[in-house]
Amino acid sequence: QSALTQPRSVSGSPGQSVTISCTGRSSYVDFFNRVSWYQQHPGKAPKVLIYNVSERPSGVPDRFSGSQSGSTASLTISGLQAEDEGDYYCCSYAGSYTWVFGGGTKLTVL
Amino acid sequence: EVQLVESGGGLVQPGGSLRLSCAASGTSISSKSLNWVRQAPGKGPEWISHISDGSAISYADSVKGRFTASRDNARNSIHLYMHSLRDEDTAVYYCARGIDYGMDVWGQGTTVTVSS
Repeated sequence: QSALTQPRSVSGSPGQSVTISCTGRSSYVDFFNRVSWYQQHPGKAPKVLIYNVSERPSGVPDRFSGSQSGSTASLTISGLQAEDEGDYYCCSYAGSYTWVFGGGTKLTVL
Repeated sequence: EVQLVESGGGLVQPGGSLRLSCAASGTSISSKSLNWVRQAPGKGPEWISHISDGSAISYADSVKGRFTASRDNARNSIHLYMHSLRDEDTAVYYCARGIDYGMDVWGQGTTVTVSS
């Protein structure tokens, strides 16, 4: 079992909003303001969407937003589009210059 | 445009060794941290090594003692020396540039297959 727990799948219709959660072990709470989120399409490298919980790199649409409450981080995608379909992974700093990824969530756009 | 290009992957027998490289263009890596992340077939990414901008290096427990990462600022590249390879090391290996505590630029990956 991954140290970061994500739902296996979520789905939504175009235009709707979906939220993907990422819950960490209590030992990661101190580092949970250092969560990042990645989108991956089949055969492609992961692409960063969010880092430091809620910061968006340039070029990432503001439809993607991140938040955190306690040991749960969340990625919200608003105005869902067909091209948002793919796999999403959270990643948390785990101390001592180590990182851990979540198990991933498959997003289906209906 | 900032790009990272991995190379060196291939087929290797269990117990064998391989050296991966990651070359950067469009940016100097000397003041940046970099990471190695791998992804086994059908699985999610797994972080395996971090090279800080000060050259401190850390490893995941799964590769500690078998893999050695290094930085070559003069050639704007990093390397991953992999020894005592196991079947479970089969994966696509990516290098990724660090941004604060995230990873903002990723290479296209290089495939390592460990099989007899």
